[in-house]
Amino acid sequence: LAKTTQPISMDSYEGQEVNITCSHNNIATNDYITWYQQFPSQGPRFIIQGYKTKVTNEVASLFIPADRKSSTLSLPRVSLSDTAVYYCLVGGSSARQLTFGSGTQLTVLP
Amino acid sequence: DTGVSQNPRHKITKRGQNVTFRCDPISEHNRLYWYRQTLGQGPEFLTYFQNEAQLEKSRLLSDRFSAERPKGSFSTLEIQRTEQGDSAMYLCASSLPGTTSYNEQFFGPGTRLTVL
Repeated sequence: LAKTTQPISMDSYEGQEVNITCSHNNIATNDYITWYQQFPSQGPRFIIQGYKTKVTNEVASLFIPADRKSSTLSLPRVSLSDTAVYYCLVGGSSARQLTFGSGTQLTVLP
Repeated sequence: DTGVSQNPRHKITKRGQNVTFRCDPISEHNRLYWYRQTLGQGPEFLTYFQNEAQLEKSRLLSDRFSAERPKGSFSTLEIQRTEQGDSAMYLCASSLPGTTSYNEQFFGPGTRLTVL
């Protein structure tokens, strides 16, 4: 199973762009990269998914270099409500493969 | 609300008792997953259903744990002879059929179990 490594925590200020990088050196050819957000006492919420290059949706962008051994979640102009744990996952060819690590605790300060 | 629902939201039980949790997925989702999450950790995969068939199980799912999904709709997760180590948040998720839909799961609010 592909493993991921991401920072334990990050701090940012309101209005800034936040980039959270995840490394996944053993990613397999058919693995996708997915990011989730989780607030306390809630289930995780899907943010974005990609395979290569760049993916953008209404809440975030996902940058994936050609070797796919890392990925960067970019959150534009964060607000206090973006304070949450962000999980990077790789996998997708089976339910068992989708493995959550410990995530990155993002704290947005006023 | 058309999201994933879980009941109860909280459950306190004494060691040795049996507990059962229910999950109602989003109606058009045929895939259903159970996870367990302890404080400070990400969710751990427990089991997966496609319709009524239980297709994958984690080795974390000991013989005290059993899950069902009769008729491919709601699902139940039962823990027999609970132990204090079973205290955790139990999360249910569902997703649409499709090649990459394992990745885009919709989670419920969870059931927090406390075993005294």
